[in-house]
Amino acid sequence: QVQLVESGGGLVKPGGSLRLSCAASGFTFSDYYMSWIRQAPGKGLEWVSYISSSTSYTNYADSVKGRFTISRDNAKNSLYLQMNSLRAEDTAVYYCARDVGAGHTDWGQGTLVTVSS
Amino acid sequence: QPVLTQSSSASASLGSSVKLTCTLSSGHSSNIIAWHQQQPGKAPRYLMKLEGSGSYNKVSGVPDRFSGSSSGADRYLTISNLQSEDEADYYCETWDSNTRVFGGGTKLTVL
Repeated sequence: QVQLVESGGGLVKPGGSLRLSCAASGFTFSDYYMSWIRQAPGKGLEWVSYISSSTSYTNYADSVKGRFTISRDNAKNSLYLQMNSLRAEDTAVYYCARDVGAGHTDWGQGTLVTVSS
Repeated sequence: QPVLTQSSSASASLGSSVKLTCTLSSGHSSNIIAWHQQQPGKAPRYLMKLEGSGSYNKVSGVPDRFSGSSSGADRYLTISNLQSEDEADYYCETWDSNTRVFGGGTKLTVL
């Protein structure tokens, strides 16, 4: 079955950087768009970024544009999110999710990023 | 880009039915949406895709008690014979060529 496992979260100071990873299995990873979606404590879901199946196309929410970079390695069935210039408002659980063009059908368990001094 | 509006909360009694609403912004009333369920402390779970025609496709494992319908810019999730495990946050989602959008979510309380 489809499995998505995020890692790389943790505590980081404002202005710092962090790289999240998502290991995918149970489906042909290279066939699908993938997204990062986050959820601040006690808040709703916020789409962060997506990347096309071939890596040729990416897009970002305005709140992270210019600071975050999404990438993938289809040979390793892995998705990444490089987060720079982190702010307190970036504190959230970050989920990777498979985008089938009809919504995000599969989600990881999430990894918590806390930005605090 | 589309905007999705959901009521912040809803409640209904055990064994009854509830209808949750997700409203698409002007100019996007024909969009397809998806419904997700997020139980406390868990990751979201995809329930179904719902078209403007009212046609919906549930994923495997979603109980028959869950159904979708549409009217104009409104998309509905109806849960019948409410169970305690249905107490959760429910999010709608839509998309266009550039972005993905989630509604603010509805917190469903089963009384």
